Amino acid sequence: DTGVSQDPRHKITKRGQNVTFRCDPISEHNRLYWYRQTLGQGPEFLTYFQNEAQLEKSRLLSDRFSAERPKGSFSTLEIQRTEQGDSAMYLCASSPAAYGYTFGSGTRLTVV
Amino acid sequence: GENVGLHLPTLSVQEGDNSIINCAYSNSASDYFIWYKQESGKGPQFIIDIRSNMDKRQGQRVTVLLNKTVKHLSLQIAATQPGDSAVYFCAESGDNTDKLIFGTGTRLQVFP
Repeated sequence: DTGVSQDPRHKITKRGQNVTFRCDPISEHNRLYWYRQTLGQGPEFLTYFQNEAQLEKSRLLSDRFSAERPKGSFSTLEIQRTEQGDSAMYLCASSPAAYGYTFGSGTRLTVV
Repeated sequence: GENVGLHLPTLSVQEGDNSIINCAYSNSASDYFIWYKQESGKGPQFIIDIRSNMDKRQGQRVTVLLNKTVKHLSLQIAATQPGDSAVYFCAESGDNTDKLIFGTGTRLQVFP
C-alpha cells in the first residue's frame, strides 16, 4: 500500500446518469476526505470522514451527492442524476491526523 | 489529461534560478499551512508545511515563509529544475476544522 488509490481514473457519462467513485486510503489513515477540482481552480472541500463517521459536509455537496465509508476503510462517492456542472476532477485524500494529507490521483468526470 | 493551471498566474524562470511563489490566505484563525505541487493529470503532492507558531521552515531546496500580520505565505525554491514545472497551491486549515482551504494556484514554468 503505497498511496491513495482512486477508481476509475476517468469516467464519461451522459447527463442524468448516476456515477460512483471509489477511494482506497492509506491503510493506517483514519481520516478520509473528498475534494472537487475544476479547471484552473484549487481543490474544494466536499466531505470528511473519521473512521466510518462522516463529520463534515460542504454546502457544495447537494442532495444528489452522497458519500459513504461503511467499514472505515474505503469510501465511495455517488452522484445521482449527473449534470454538466458536475464535470470535474474528484480527489480523495487520507491522513493519520489533522495534518499529513496524501492525495490520490483523482477521478476525472465528464458529463456529456 | 487534466489541464491544471489553465488561466492561472504564471511564473517563468530559468533553470538554476531561484523561484518565489506567493499566496495570500483568508482566515486569520488558520494555524496550519501547506504548499502543494500539482502536475497535469495528478493529485496535489505535499511539498512543505508550517504551523502558525513559526515564521520560516526549510526543506530540501524549498523554504516556506509565513507572515501572519499580513496573512501571506511564500514558497521559495532554490536552483529551480525543469522537474519543478507544475501548478503550486497553498492551503490553510485550522479554526476547528480539518478541511483544507486552497488558494489560487500559480503555474511555474522552468526554461532550460
